[in-house]
Amino acid sequence: KNEVEQSPQNLTAQEGEFITINCSYSVGISALHWLQQHPGGGIVSLFMLSSGKKKHGRLIATINIQEKHSSLHITASHPRDSAVYICAVRFLRWKDNQFYFGTGTSLTVIP
Amino acid sequence: GAGVSQSPSNKVTEKGKDVELRCDPISGHTALYWYRQRLGQGLEFLIYFQGNSAPDKSGLPSDRFSAERTGESVSTLTIQRTQQEDSAVYLCASSLSGGGTTDTQYFGPGTRLTVL
Repeated sequence: KNEVEQSPQNLTAQEGEFITINCSYSVGISALHWLQQHPGGGIVSLFMLSSGKKKHGRLIATINIQEKHSSLHITASHPRDSAVYICAVRFLRWKDNQFYFGTGTSLTVIP
Repeated sequence: GAGVSQSPSNKVTEKGKDVELRCDPISGHTALYWYRQRLGQGLEFLIYFQGNSAPDKSGLPSDRFSAERTGESVSTLTIQRTQQEDSAVYLCASSLSGGGTTDTQYFGPGTRLTVL
């Protein structure tokens, strides 16, 4: 069982819709990272957070430490938002430096 | 300033050959990560360098894989006696430091390795 679970795996939305992508994880974390991977393969960091909420343009990321859950929201979605969104966490484990990745959510926004 | 760069962008090799992949991190970034992404699959951690500390090699899949980093600059990932299952995109990322919420990773464009 993957320690980082994302849902949904695939998502198709109409332009303008509000989108939510979810990430849950198994144990305490020091940081959670939302990444965007475009069809060409390039990966861009969207947010890095350990608590609360962050907003950048139409993107909002929230995290609930007690529930071990994070959400990425996209408001007023646009076809250029079509990409794979990946959640990655660094666990609070001794000498465990790596990031653990979810399997990604493939988003397609239709005009 | 310049982002993370990787070379080559594409590499096709024959089974059994050795390959060397290069990563140039952002200047001043002390942390450097190597990841692998097989076709249609998620990212897999390979190795992590933080400053002058011993690297975390826990993600390397076999002893055919090794990596080096010169100080806080260039890193090379070497795969010896390549196998077809090594075919993947190899991604490098760097960050300013090795921990905390400011530790945003900046990814390079990747090297697409194809082993025939």
